Amino acid sequence: DAGVTQSPTHLIKTRGQQVTLRCSPKSGHDTVSWYQQALGQGPQFIFQYYEEEERQRGNFPDRFSGHQFPNYSSELNVNALLLGDSALYLCASTPHRGIDSSTDTQYFGPGTRLTVL
Amino acid sequence: DQQVKQNSPSLSVQEGRISILNCDYTNSMFDYFLWYKKYPAEGPTFLISISSIKDKNEDGRFTVFLNKSAKHLSLHIVPSQPGDSAVYFCAASDGVGNNRKLIWGLGTSLAVNP
Repeated sequence: DAGVTQSPTHLIKTRGQQVTLRCSPKSGHDTVSWYQQALGQGPQFIFQYYEEEERQRGNFPDRFSGHQFPNYSSELNVNALLLGDSALYLCASTPHRGIDSSTDTQYFGPGTRLTVL
Repeated sequence: DQQVKQNSPSLSVQEGRISILNCDYTNSMFDYFLWYKKYPAEGPTFLISISSIKDKNEDGRFTVFLNKSAKHLSLHIVPSQPGDSAVYFCAASDGVGNNRKLIWGLGTSLAVNP
C-alpha cells in the first residue's frame, strides 16, 4: 500500500519564477491538504482539496493555487516566487468522512524542499 | 498568534528514562489533538492522538495526557530509545467535519542519549 508521495524531492528556482509541486494521496484517501514548513517552524496550512475543489484555505496569498485531479492527486502552484517562499512543502491526505464523523489522522508525504534564490 | 505552543525547543534525556514533551493550546474549541514525529528530510509521521472526550491514550511506549481545564497536553515516552531522537510536533485539529485543518506547534527536538 503506497503512502503519500510527492515530487520532486528538491527544487531550486529564482525569484519571479513559477513552480508546480505534485502529490499523490495514500490509497483510499480522497482529500489532500498542503502545508508550508519554513525552517524552525511548524507546518502552516495552505489549503485543502476535495472533489477537485478548494474546500478551505489558510492565510496565503493568491500566488499560491492548487488543483486536484479525478484520481485525487493534487498540484500546488506558486507564482512570482519570493525568497520567503523557500520552505519544505508538505502534502497530507485523509479519507473523506461525513459531517458528523470524528477527525481523521492526516498522513504526510516526504515533502518537496523548495529553494528560491 | 500561536494557538498551539510548544515552549521547549529541545529536550535531552538518557536512554531508558522517560521523555515528557509538553504542549499548550489557547483555543478551547479544539477537540482533537495529535502528535507527529519528524526526522530530517522526511515528512511528519503520525504517532498518537487523543480526542477531547478522553484524558489519556496509550499506545505501547507512548502515552498522551490531556488536561482540558488547563488546555495542556503532554506526550510521555517510556522507556526512551535513541531511535526516538527526532522533532516532535503537537497539532490540534481545527474545524468541523471535513472542514478540518491542523494547527501546529513549533516542535520540540528530542535527543535520547545512549
